Amino acid sequence: QQKVQQSPESLSVPEGGMASLNCTSSDRNFQYFWWYRQHSGEGPKALMSIFSDGDKKEGRFTAHLNKASLHVSLHIRDSQPSDSALYFCAATPGTGSNRLTFGKGTKFSLIP
Amino acid sequence: NSKVIQTPRYLVKGQGQKAKMRCIPEKGHPVVFWYQQNKNNEFKFLINFQNQEVLQQIDMTEKRFSAECPSNSPCSLEIQSSEAGDSALYLCASSPGLFAETLYFGSGTRLTVL
Repeated sequence: QQKVQQSPESLSVPEGGMASLNCTSSDRNFQYFWWYRQHSGEGPKALMSIFSDGDKKEGRFTAHLNKASLHVSLHIRDSQPSDSALYFCAATPGTGSNRLTFGKGTKFSLIP
Repeated sequence: NSKVIQTPRYLVKGQGQKAKMRCIPEKGHPVVFWYQQNKNNEFKFLINFQNQEVLQQIDMTEKRFSAECPSNSPCSLEIQSSEAGDSALYLCASSPGLFAETLYFGSGTRLTVL
């Protein structure tokens, strides 16, 4: 079973719109979460990390973590063309080797 | 721009050939990871190092894959005998430590095995 599940697989919004991406872990050892963004032809780049219950905001991006349900979401407001990319949720227990486990990703694009 | 430098960007090999790729981690980052990202964009952890020491590696890595991070030289990942199923994007990442640290990725080496 995939330990980190993401939904939806793909998502399209108009420019300036809002989007919500979801991620759930089935492994209760995973306590530390990241959202990564990967543009075509590039490696993934960390958007933000979230380790505590509640919201964390960075610019147009807000992450929300519920540790009890191991659910983390990413909300993008005022979507821009540069936001079109693959978005990955990643998690780690935070101990040992710091090895990240990634979800399968959400393909996010703007409706022209 | 990524500070993790991976070379080459593209690598084309025939089946059974060796394929070698290199990575220079971000300065001051002692922890290095190799991941494989397949055509479905799924990530597979291969191996990681702290300085020159292997921390974890998967079984696949122990057979045809070899990797090292020598002191004062780029890290490298080598596939001894390439197979078609090895065609993927190989990503190197580095991090400043081992406790809940962000991984910083390079742009990857795209391996195509014909």
